[in-house]
Amino acid sequence: EPEVTQTPSHQVTQMGQEVILRCVPISNHLYFYWYRQILGQKVEFLVSFYNNEISEKSEIFDDQFSVERPDGSNFTLKIRSTKLEDSAMYFCASNSRVGTEAFFGQGTRLTVV
Amino acid sequence: AQKVTQAQTEISVVEKEDVTLDCVYETRDTTYYLFWYKQPPSGELVFLIRRNSFDEQNEISGRYSWNFQKSTSSFNFTITASQVVDSAVYFCALSEGDFYGGSQGNLIFGKGTKLSVKP
Repeated sequence: EPEVTQTPSHQVTQMGQEVILRCVPISNHLYFYWYRQILGQKVEFLVSFYNNEISEKSEIFDDQFSVERPDGSNFTLKIRSTKLEDSAMYFCASNSRVGTEAFFGQGTRLTVV
Repeated sequence: AQKVTQAQTEISVVEKEDVTLDCVYETRDTTYYLFWYKQPPSGELVFLIRRNSFDEQNEISGRYSWNFQKSTSSFNFTITASQVVDSAVYFCALSEGDFYGGSQGNLIFGKGTKLSVKP
């Protein structure tokens, strides 16, 4: 069964450092997303990506965040200068069209120290 | 504005009890989609069901059933004869509109209900 894969599963970084979270969405999917879940809280939408550009973003997705699909398979989330409050589980998701089931990766737990 | 409310923060039941998880949503769109996801202690998000706004038929899948009522903007989830393996956080989510209306399909999640099933 096709699945979304994320790497690494856990990353610890120092405050102020840049991190890149990686995702490989399902190959024939067209819509890609990043979500964030701070420990014990709800899952929050960060950004959607369609046709090689950002299609929608939330208030959380400020200038320190960026996304890329550099090679047609990987989908990355970059946080330029991490803060303590960026510590969270980050989920990548993809689907084939709007309104269909979004397939989620297993998440990357980011810990900023 | 779109919103999903799961008023029950935590529910604890004994194995074999039935349990219903409530979900109330708000949206101005006439086309929308509702979802339930399960998040077990291992942390991944597992898709359970999807419903579109034009299909109010209730659904049963094994021990799981869903009751979608547009009149009350609710999409409730019932587990019959609960088992310890059902212990997880359950999220209800809403996706508004369709592609032609400009929607990008992002999900708006409720805060989740933590279900604990004790043996």
